[in-house]
Amino acid sequence: EAGVAQSPRYKIIEKRQSVAFWCNPISGHATLYWYQQILGQGPKLLIQFQNNGVVDDSQLPKDRFSAERLKGVDSTLKIQPAKLEDSAVYLCASSLYQLRHLTLNTEAFFGQGTRLTVV
Amino acid sequence: AQSVTQLGSHVSVSEGALVLLRCNYSSSVPPYLFWYVQYPNQGLQLLLKYTSAATLVKGINGFEAEFKKSETSFHLTKPSAHMSDAAEYFCAVSLPSGNSGYALNFGKGTSLLVTP
Repeated sequence: EAGVAQSPRYKIIEKRQSVAFWCNPISGHATLYWYQQILGQGPKLLIQFQNNGVVDDSQLPKDRFSAERLKGVDSTLKIQPAKLEDSAVYLCASSLYQLRHLTLNTEAFFGQGTRLTVV
Repeated sequence: AQSVTQLGSHVSVSEGALVLLRCNYSSSVPPYLFWYVQYPNQGLQLLLKYTSAATLVKGINGFEAEFKKSETSFHLTKPSAHMSDAAEYFCAVSLPSGNSGYALNFGKGTSLLVTP
């Protein structure tokens, strides 16, 4: 079974530039997450999709970050303009489903991440 | 809100020694708890998870964790450390997310160093 695919693996940009990350989840997984992992910290949820709908984007800095999952499969996370503090690893994860009304909570599988350095 | 606290940002053990990584959660109800491992320049891999079926949970690579409600703890252990166990370990709790889902809330991580 193919895992969660992310690209690029590494990206270096100057502050105020824009950047985009791509994620292709495991086939059939309805739920997709984007996490930000700053060096020395645990991953922090940025946005969660269920199919092509947003479940939670409360921690996404919407003035500069955007994400979409138009067809309910792959997803793109964009930063425009980037700041120095955006330097981090951006992790994508997927799971079969997360249905709170049924108390169903399946395992999340993570991609290898994209390491962003803003200089 | 539920959260997890990992005690000790760095733990060093000798090869063959017991590994103990500590995690405490704050919750008024039994949560879903997880341990993930992250090797350098890799994503996170699930070691084990607690979903209230059994308090002692066995995972991959010889790791196990015990859910102790009275102590609000979910410590990770391995009887004998291998050099290949050197990595970053994250404890996580599943939290309600938005109106309909769940998402993982991670601790700050513990870096495990294994010395010969």
